[in-house]
Amino acid sequence: EDKVVQSPLSLVVHEGDTVTLNCSYEVTNFRSLLWYKQEKKAPTFLFMLTSSGIEKKSGRLSSILDKKELFSILNITATQTGDSAVYLCAPNSNSGYALNFGKGTSLLVTP
Amino acid sequence: DADVTQTPRNRITKTGKRIMLECSQTKGHDRMYWYRQDPGLGLRLIYYSFDVKDINKGEISDGYSVSRQAQAKFSLSLESAIPNQTALYFCATSRTGYYGYTFGSGTRLTVV
Repeated sequence: EDKVVQSPLSLVVHEGDTVTLNCSYEVTNFRSLLWYKQEKKAPTFLFMLTSSGIEKKSGRLSSILDKKELFSILNITATQTGDSAVYLCAPNSNSGYALNFGKGTSLLVTP
Repeated sequence: DADVTQTPRNRITKTGKRIMLECSQTKGHDRMYWYRQDPGLGLRLIYYSFDVKDINKGEISDGYSVSRQAQAKFSLSLESAIPNQTALYFCATSRTGYYGYTFGSGTRLTVV
């Protein structure tokens, strides 16, 4: 059975801090791993990772995948209050099945 | 207009009532999904459809049914709503070969 574990489940930081969110997975026939950000309503796409060791960056956010150790991390540097959200990871398999989401990490950035 | 539209946005219904949640998309995607989200449980898959003639159960399909009326429309029905179906429901779409989803804005359903 596929498993996705995100940690921590929740996190409170001050503006300007750097945070690292973790996602470990067990997926048969792994193909890619996706990160989403969910603020008030619908999740929005952040990154899709397919290769180990290749960092993807978007502004202050970056993410990397380790296919040997079966995990991914999402880093946010110089956090801002607008980064407050739930961050979801979802590994995907070659079986073509739908995405299996982790429970998410709830991040609160305080002024 | 939103790429993926869910209606209604909010709904309160009574136990035992039949209710339908609707989803339509203008993305031209062939794949559509229904998830529910509960606090602390993340997004869980109810049903998914890879094309009009292909409907599949997800991990929590009991108590739900779906209809893919056209490539652009995918409806979720609760035949006899019960309080533990109170949740935030999301429709999502994707296209074959690419696994990034586009989500609708969600339907908040309360069963009393």
